[in-house]
Amino acid sequence: EGQLVESGGGLVQPGESLRLSCAASGFGFSNYWMSWVRQAPGKGLEWVANIKYDGSEKNYVDSVKGRFTISRDNAKNSLYLEMNSLRAEDMAVYYCARDQWQQLIVWGQGTLVTVSS
Amino acid sequence: QSALTQPASVSGSPGQSITISCTGTSSDVGDYNYVSWYQQHPGKAPKLIISDVNKRPSGVSNRFSGSKSGNTASLTISGLQAEDEADYYCSSYTSRSTLGIFGGGTKLTVL
Repeated sequence: EGQLVESGGGLVQPGESLRLSCAASGFGFSNYWMSWVRQAPGKGLEWVANIKYDGSEKNYVDSVKGRFTISRDNAKNSLYLEMNSLRAEDMAVYYCARDQWQQLIVWGQGTLVTVSS
Repeated sequence: QSALTQPASVSGSPGQSITISCTGTSSDVGDYNYVSWYQQHPGKAPKLIISDVNKRPSGVSNRFSGSKSGNTASLTISGLQAEDEADYYCSSYTSRSTLGIFGGGTKLTVL
């Protein structure tokens, strides 16, 4: 069913930017919707964004609209999440996942984003 | 959008069966068969254990089963084992959003 590996997390100050990447392998990446899901420390799962297989449709949770941008490069089997104007409430582990009718079939191991001054 | 409703915690003894409920509305669980369940051990990524209400991915134990009645989906774990102790999340397709929705999660304790 494939593998997903996230990278790019780290410690940033409020208002700064970060770009997460997700490398896919072992499945036809260009055929699938993909999603980003986050989990704040000690909290539940929150769907952040998803993107259609060809990149023509992108959707976001209200709390990140205008600040986050999801994108993909099918030639590189890669998914991205550009995060701007980061806030303390964005601090979480971010997972990328293969999305099939809003069911997350394969998950990455996650990358931690820490927002703190 | 509102999350699906799950009990915060359930518990059971080894060998017993437990059921975790996931209540939504006619805009999600009640009207679509795209209900999924995820198992998450501490410090690990979630793992899909049930999709399409009751389908088990390859490699998932047949002790895990899913069902749905009306606006409520359920995950049943039979023959509880210590390794089943984890957090469990349900999720559903919803017509009210372009993203899926999750339940708040249920912590399973194996006594």
